[in-house]
Amino acid sequence: EDQVTQSPEALRLQEGESSSLNCSYTVSGLRGLFWYRQDPGKGPEFLFTLYSAGEEKEKERLKATLTKKESFLHITAPKPEDSATYLCAVLAAGGTSYGKLTFGQGTILTVHP
Amino acid sequence: DVKVTQSSRYLVKRTGEKVFLECVQDMDHENMFWYRQDPGLGLRLIYFSYDVKMKEKGDIPEGYSVSREKKERFSLILESASTNQTSMYLCASSEAVQETQYFGPGTRLLVL
Repeated sequence: EDQVTQSPEALRLQEGESSSLNCSYTVSGLRGLFWYRQDPGKGPEFLFTLYSAGEEKEKERLKATLTKKESFLHITAPKPEDSATYLCAVLAAGGTSYGKLTFGQGTILTVHP
Repeated sequence: DVKVTQSSRYLVKRTGEKVFLECVQDMDHENMFWYRQDPGLGLRLIYFSYDVKMKEKGDIPEGYSVSREKKERFSLILESASTNQTSMYLCASSEAVQETQYFGPGTRLLVL
C-alpha cells in the first residue's frame, strides 16, 4: 500500500529563519510527487510537481527536491504570508493505485514576524 | 490559469436529505476527482472520472454517487445525508492521469 509521511507535523519559524519540510514515501513505482499549499478553509493550491530523483523546482522562496525515498520543501527566509499547511502527495504507476493521489497529513507552518 | 469552481462554499443539510455538490472546470480536462478532507485523516478520494460518463470508485465511495454528463462538470451526490458525512469536500481536475491535479475552493458541508 502506498504511504506518505510528512514531518514535522507543525513548524514555527521566525521571519527570515530558513528551514525544510520532509515528505517520505513508499510507493510501487513513482509516477509523480506533488507539493501543495493550503490556507485555512480553502482548497489546496498547486506548487510543484517532481517526476524523478535528482529533480529540483523553485518558486520564489520555495525549493522542492526529490530523492528515491523522500522529498524536501526548502523555505528560504520565510515571511508571515508563507504560513499555511503544506501537503505532499504521490502518484503511483500502475496497479490498483493507478491515477490515485496518496496524500500525507501535511505540515502546518507558522512564520512569526 | 486552470479554474475549478464548486457550487457552494458552505452548505447545511438535514439527515436524510439528498445533497448535490457540483464542480465545474474550464480547462477541458479529461479527469475529475472528488475528495473529502477531515482533521487527522487528510484527503481521501471518494470517486474519480476519467471520461464523460465513466467513473471509478476511490477509497471511500460508500454513501456517495457521482454523475458526469458533460466533460466540464462532475457532481457528487449524497443519496441520504448522514452526520458522518459532515466534512470539507474538494473537487479536482487534471489533463491526464499522471498530470497535476488542480483543486477547487472546497465546500464545507454540515449535516445536522
